[in-house]
Amino acid sequence: EVQLVESGGGLVQPGGSLRLSCAASGFTFNKYPMRWVRQTPGKGLEWVSDISSSGDRTYYADSVKGRLTISRDNSRNTVYLQMNSLRGEDTAVYYCGKGSNGTIDNWGQGALVVVSS
Amino acid sequence: DVVMTQSPLSLPVTLGQPASISCKSSESLKHSDGNTYLTWFQQRPGQSPRRLIQMVFKRDSGVPDRFSGSGSGTDFTLEISRVEAEDVGVYYCMQGIQWPRTFGPGTRVEIK
Repeated sequence: EVQLVESGGGLVQPGGSLRLSCAASGFTFNKYPMRWVRQTPGKGLEWVSDISSSGDRTYYADSVKGRLTISRDNSRNTVYLQMNSLRGEDTAVYYCGKGSNGTIDNWGQGALVVVSS
Repeated sequence: DVVMTQSPLSLPVTLGQPASISCKSSESLKHSDGNTYLTWFQQRPGQSPRRLIQMVFKRDSGVPDRFSGSGSGTDFTLEISRVEAEDVGVYYCMQGIQWPRTFGPGTRVEIK
């Protein structure tokens, strides 16, 4: 059974940093791209970032480019989202997802990030 | 960017009756490889999203067969043949043909 478990969320001040982790199990991690998607409270879904299976290619939404960085450690079956220069509009639940064929096969339970002073 | 639109945004339905959600993309989602990269997700209240259908019509394992997807190019439809109480939630379409990936705004299905 595929499991994706996010951690690292919390309250951070504007301009601060946070690193989200997503621990994966139940599939061959190094064969699949991984994705981060966020959801503002009460709102819709916004794609944030993708990383290829080997980690050599990354993609970002314009709204986060230059501030958020996706990475992965295939030896630890974990994908990360380093979040710097955080703004109020980054407040959201962040989901990691197992990717394939331009879709999201499975979703984690989400990690809440609140950016506020 | 590919813009995804959905209609209606709110859909009150009587139990046992059919429901239909439309999703339109600003560009064709058919790839040169022959596949069309359109996915439907369901998000029940308080839960993470869950994939129902990928590549327009391929239903995921465990998804009831009352859910079906259809369409091509830029126009797609998710149909529920007979709505059940557990179908309450928000339904999103998403395109996977190019970056940035984009979602529709969501359609909220509720029971009348």
